[in-house]
Amino acid sequence: DIVMTQSPDSLAVSLGERATINCKSSQSVLYNSNNKNYLAWYQQKPGQPPKLLISWASTRQSGVPDRFSGSGSGTDFTLTISSLQAEDVAVYYCQQCYSTPYTFGQGTKLEIK
Amino acid sequence: QVQLQQSGPGLVKPSQTLSLTCAIFGDSVSSNSATWNWIRQSPSRGLEWLGRTYYRSKWYNDYAVSVMSRVTITPDTSKSQFSLQLNSVTPEDTAVYYCARLSGNLMDVWGKGTTVTVSS
Repeated sequence: DIVMTQSPDSLAVSLGERATINCKSSQSVLYNSNNKNYLAWYQQKPGQPPKLLISWASTRQSGVPDRFSGSGSGTDFTLTISSLQAEDVAVYYCQQCYSTPYTFGQGTKLEIK
Repeated sequence: QVQLQQSGPGLVKPSQTLSLTCAIFGDSVSSNSATWNWIRQSPSRGLEWLGRTYYRSKWYNDYAVSVMSRVTITPDTSKSQFSLQLNSVTPEDTAVYYCARLSGNLMDVWGKGTTVTVSS
């Protein structure tokens, strides 16, 4: 199984400041035939299912504010929120869909400082 | 817009069978480009993928090793839905259960979740 490890487990950032969450996979999730990283980022708020924010490591889903960005390739990935807003308080997860079993990181809880 | 609507009991007794259904609106369980998944979430296990069903000229299933001996995911083409059965449940199976569509290798549509408690 591909193990996904996020850091940090929790993060407190001031409004308007940058938040950075890291995700590392135990093996590459880069599919060489199409040069795509099978890595997604989700946002989960209490009582709601995870919401897909970013696919293919760096492609924002429609309707996701452009303050959210993803980067990285192979085994190391980053989710960045450029200017934290109050509504961004949530738990963030990375997930690999490279191979089954599809696995998730343990989550990063983002709070306002 | 694709939507998934979950149904099923929120309380199951130990040793019994957990059964949940996910109705699909705006897509088809027989789609040749999507797979239909069950995921659960608990404080102790986090988000855990349980398995999937999908159609590619015939039906296929894949299951997580952790539940493989106890789980069945079944499509119902007449109602465009799919179901999860988990046998011989214990309190460790207490979790929020989600169904989700995977399309283009993205889990882009999720059900709202069903909280299932295993208790006598």
